[in-house]
Amino acid sequence: KAGVTQTPRYLIKTRGQQVTLSCSPISGHRSVSWYQQTPGQGLQFLFEYFSETQRNKGNFPGRFSGRQFSNSRSEMNVSTLELGDSALYLCASSLGQPETEAFFGQGTRLTVV
Amino acid sequence: GENVEQHPSTLSVQEGDSAVIKCTYSDSASNYFPWYKQELGKRPQLIIDIRSNVGEKKDQRIAVTLNKTAKHFSLHITETQPEDSAVYFCAASGSGGSNYKLTFGKGTLLTVNP
Repeated sequence: KAGVTQTPRYLIKTRGQQVTLSCSPISGHRSVSWYQQTPGQGLQFLFEYFSETQRNKGNFPGRFSGRQFSNSRSEMNVSTLELGDSALYLCASSLGQPETEAFFGQGTRLTVV
Repeated sequence: GENVEQHPSTLSVQEGDSAVIKCTYSDSASNYFPWYKQELGKRPQLIIDIRSNVGEKKDQRIAVTLNKTAKHFSLHITETQPEDSAVYFCAASGSGGSNYKLTFGKGTLLTVNP
């Protein structure tokens, strides 16, 4: 079956702009989590959605937001981009129960200039 | 919230040697501990996981041990091969309302020299 798909793969944006990233989970998966990956910081949790509801949120400013649609696809939005937002953004899908494997997408590489 | 510390940040071994990566976590109620491998330019992939009711788990050359009392868990790779070279991340799931959230360590860059 198809894996987790993220679009676009690469983005270059200017400081102050906003951006929307998309994540299509594995068929049947109802949970989508988003992570920011930067060199030396590992993967930092942004938020998790299950059945269109945000269940968990990490310690990121309100400029980072997300949503999930009825088909489980999820989008993440970052407004008023800052240089420090440059990172690889990964989404992961799972069945949504505790202790179940999370499958990652290839990520979207965002560069803010 | 949960905090996961991972050591070492870099590890270089000769092919055939063993490699050990260690992680500690802060939330004593955490009960799920996966390990992910991320090759350069690729997505993280689960290589092994362990749940709190088990002390050790093996899968061919890979093993994970968990000490809940000390709140630490370790990844052991035996007979390392060049294709084991990658960044390895440990993670822990939170408790209660955060048990759908994974907190990751900062990663270990493993280099296996032929």
